[in-house]
Amino acid sequence: AQSVTQPDIHITVSEGASLELRCNYSYGATPYLFWYVQSPGQGLQLLLKYFSGDTLVQGIKGFEAEFKRSQSSFNLRKPSVHWSDAAEYFCAVNKAAGNKLTFGGGTRVLVKP
Amino acid sequence: NAGVTQTPKFRILKIGQSMTLQCTQDMNHNYMYWYRQDPGMGLKLIYYSVGAGITDKGEVPNGYNVSRSTTEDFPLRLELAAPSQTSVYFCASTSEGQPEQFFGPGTRLTVL
Repeated sequence: AQSVTQPDIHITVSEGASLELRCNYSYGATPYLFWYVQSPGQGLQLLLKYFSGDTLVQGIKGFEAEFKRSQSSFNLRKPSVHWSDAAEYFCAVNKAAGNKLTFGGGTRVLVKP
Repeated sequence: NAGVTQTPKFRILKIGQSMTLQCTQDMNHNYMYWYRQDPGMGLKLIYYSVGAGITDKGEVPNGYNVSRSTTEDFPLRLELAAPSQTSVYFCASTSEGQPEQFFGPGTRLTVL
């Protein structure tokens, strides 16, 4: 069965500093990969997705993610964090269109002024 | 185009009460899903549907029921609410061949 691991439960970063959130998945083939963000009390917003092609994908709000097949990873990055980036971030995979999404446990990001 | 809408936004239930969480999408998607999100956890699939009249269980279906009489609506029924069903419930939809799912804003349910 596919699984998704986000090793960091909490990350605290200073405003203006860079951010990297880790995501590893377990699945035999390359699944479809997603990062979602959830602000407090809000729903899920899609940040970016990877289906195929260029392994560095750009998303909204200045985020990017890099797919590394050899490491089964899809890490999310942002060069300079803003206070509004404080939220919970979820990595998710889907092995096929129409299938359920499998989510990681999430990483909560706190931004220090 | 409202996307995926869910009602209510919040609800408090007493143990043993029943309720229906509503989910509607206006994108003509044939696939619809119900997930629950527990504190500190990712989302887990409760039920899903691949079209009107077709539903199937996900990972955590116990205590829930669903129906899909139209393409647009996918209500989730709790018959005998239990404290373990305190959670945030998300509905999602997508079209055939589309890996990305589109989420509603969620319903926060507390069972006391």
